[in-house]
Amino acid sequence: GQNIDQPTEMTATEGAIVQINCTYQTSGFNGLFWYQQHAGEAPTFLSYNVLDGLEEKGRFSSFLSRSKGYSYLLLKELQMKDSASYLCAVSFDRGSTLGRLYFGRGTQLTVWP
Amino acid sequence: GAGVSQSPSNKVTEKGKDVELRCDPISGHTALYWYRQSLGQGLEFLIYFQGNSAPDKSGLPSDRFSAERTGGSVSTLTIQRTQQEDSAVYLCASSPRGRAGVTDTQYFGPGTRLTVL
Repeated sequence: GQNIDQPTEMTATEGAIVQINCTYQTSGFNGLFWYQQHAGEAPTFLSYNVLDGLEEKGRFSSFLSRSKGYSYLLLKELQMKDSASYLCAVSFDRGSTLGRLYFGRGTQLTVWP
Repeated sequence: GAGVSQSPSNKVTEKGKDVELRCDPISGHTALYWYRQSLGQGLEFLIYFQGNSAPDKSGLPSDRFSAERTGGSVSTLTIQRTQQEDSAVYLCASSPRGRAGVTDTQYFGPGTRLTVL
C-alpha cells in the first residue's frame, strides 16, 4: 500500500472539537480526500485538498501539508450525528493508476452526549 | 439527480458459486471504480474504468474476479467460484472525468454486502 495512516478510534463529547490526523507517503502525491461513512452506508465526500493550507466548510475543515505528507480533518461543535468513520484517501500521480484512491483504514469517531 | 446505484444490496451465496454485482454510475460520469471493504479494513481498490476500457486492473485479487463496462455506463463485477474470504462489501464509485493529471471527486454507491457461506 501507500502507508495511509490514521488513528483507529477517537472519542469526543458533544460540542467539542476533534482533529483526525492522516499521514501518507509524499512521492507522487496528487490530492487528498476526506470521506465520512456511517455504519452500513456509502462513504460521502467531505473535502479535497491539493494545495497546502486549510479548507473550511462550515463545521468541517481540512488541512494539508504536502512537504510533510500530513493532513488533518477538524470537526467543530460536534453533534451526535457526527459519530461515523472518517476515511482519508490519497491519489497519486502514477500513469495508469491515476484516479484510483488509496484509503486509510478509517477513524471511528464516537461522539458522547 | 440520481446517485450511484448498486444491486443487489445484499447477496448470500454458497462457496463455489458465481456471483454478479451491478453498478449504475451517475449519468455522464466517464470514470468508474470498484472497491471492496472487509471488516476492519480500509477500502481496497479493485479496478478502474475510463469509458469501457480498464486501464488499471491491478487490484483484482485473483483471476476469479473480472469486470466489464458496457456503453460507458453500467458495470458488472463477476466473482467466479466464490470463497469465504471474498465476503465483504463491494463498493462502486464514479467520477466525472478520471482524466490523467486531474483528480476529481469520486461518488460512492451504497454497496453490495456479499456473504459467502
